[in-house]
Amino acid sequence: EAGVAQSPRYKIIEKRQSVAFWCNPISGHATLYWYQQILGQGPKLLIQFQNNGVVDDSQLPKDRFSAERLKGVDSTLKIQPAKLEDSAVYLCASSQKTGGLANEKLFFGSGTQLSVL
Amino acid sequence: AQSVTQLDSHVSVSEGTPVLLRCNYSSSYSPSLFWYVQHPNKGLQLLLKYTSAATLVKGINGFEAEFKKSETSFHLTKPSAHMSDAAEYFCVVSDLVTTSGTYKYIFGTGTRLKVLA
Repeated sequence: EAGVAQSPRYKIIEKRQSVAFWCNPISGHATLYWYQQILGQGPKLLIQFQNNGVVDDSQLPKDRFSAERLKGVDSTLKIQPAKLEDSAVYLCASSQKTGGLANEKLFFGSGTQLSVL
Repeated sequence: AQSVTQLDSHVSVSEGTPVLLRCNYSSSYSPSLFWYVQHPNKGLQLLLKYTSAATLVKGINGFEAEFKKSETSFHLTKPSAHMSDAAEYFCVVSDLVTTSGTYKYIFGTGTRLKVLA
């Protein structure tokens, strides 16, 4: 079974530039999550999709961050313009919607490490 | 709202000695709790999960955790540390998003485990 695919693996940009990250979840997984992990901290949920609809984006800085999952499969997270404090690892995860936690599990991609100079 | 607090940001143990990583949670109802491990430059991996079945949960690599409702704790333990256990450990609580029937995962700040030879 293929895992959660993310690209690019690393990205270095200057502040005020824009950047986009791509995620392809495990086939059949309805729920997709984007997390931001700043060095030394735990992952923070930015946005959660159920199919192509947004379930939770309460912690997404909407003045500069945007995300979409148009066909309910892969997703793109964009930052425009980037700030120094956006330097972090951006993690994508997916899970099946089974209706019960007994079988619920998050599968994570390898992440994209962003450095904003 | 659900939350988790990891009481130690760093823990150092000698190889062969017991490991204890502490986690307390806050929840308005009986939560589901997880421990994830993140090795350097690797993705997040599920160690174990509690979903209201047995209060003592066994995970991979000899780890286990005990759910104690009276103490609102879910501490992670291992009888004997190995060098390969050196990593970052995250305690996670899940929160049901009732509007979608999906789950939101809230991470603690992490505990870095160092194993001394």
